Amino acid sequence: EDQVTQSPEALRLQEGESSSLNCSYTVSGLRGLFWYRQDPGKGPEFLFTLYSAGEEKEKERLKATLTKKESFLHITAPKPEDSATYLCAVQGGGATNKLIFGTGTLLAVQP
Amino acid sequence: EPEVTQTPSHQVTQMGQEVILRCVPISNHLYFYWYRQILGQKVEFLVSFYNNEISEKSEIFDDQFSVERPDGSNFTLKIRSTKLEDSAMYFCASNGAAGSSNQPQHFGDGTRLSIL
Repeated sequence: EDQVTQSPEALRLQEGESSSLNCSYTVSGLRGLFWYRQDPGKGPEFLFTLYSAGEEKEKERLKATLTKKESFLHITAPKPEDSATYLCAVQGGGATNKLIFGTGTLLAVQP
Repeated sequence: EPEVTQTPSHQVTQMGQEVILRCVPISNHLYFYWYRQILGQKVEFLVSFYNNEISEKSEIFDDQFSVERPDGSNFTLKIRSTKLEDSAMYFCASNGAAGSSNQPQHFGDGTRLSIL
């Protein structure tokens, strides 16, 4: 069964303190791994897509990487506005288009 | 930037009543989805829709649920007889030109459905 596990569940950082969020996955024939940001009461906001092991994507203070078993979201010198829940989702192979989500990591960045 | 819009933002309904949640996907997208998120839980897939028919549905999407694209812009989710356990945030999403269904899905801000 396709599965996504994210860790840690919650992370508290001081402003400027870099860290990484983990997303481990089990899926048949990965077609894409997606990172989203979700603010309270809002829908998931797309950040990155990774399609194959070794791929990396960057946007401002965020960098996403992918291996055959997991993905990392690296946050460099975070700011309070980076506080949110970060969701990882995978799309499996075959005819399916559905995304399978993890439970997310709640990130709090304190000034 | 184009976005997915959902109405209403909050819907309160008595158990057993019918409810229709509405979505306007991004205009050039061809694939449409409904997901739900029960408070404190994962975002869960309900149904995908392409070329005017359901392409995939989850076990959650039973006979009480239906989807429709009544015109060229709207995409609706109907729950025929609501149950307490249907209380959740419902998200609509869309993506892709034809053949590109693994492009990122873009989500609306959801409808919070509260069943009393």
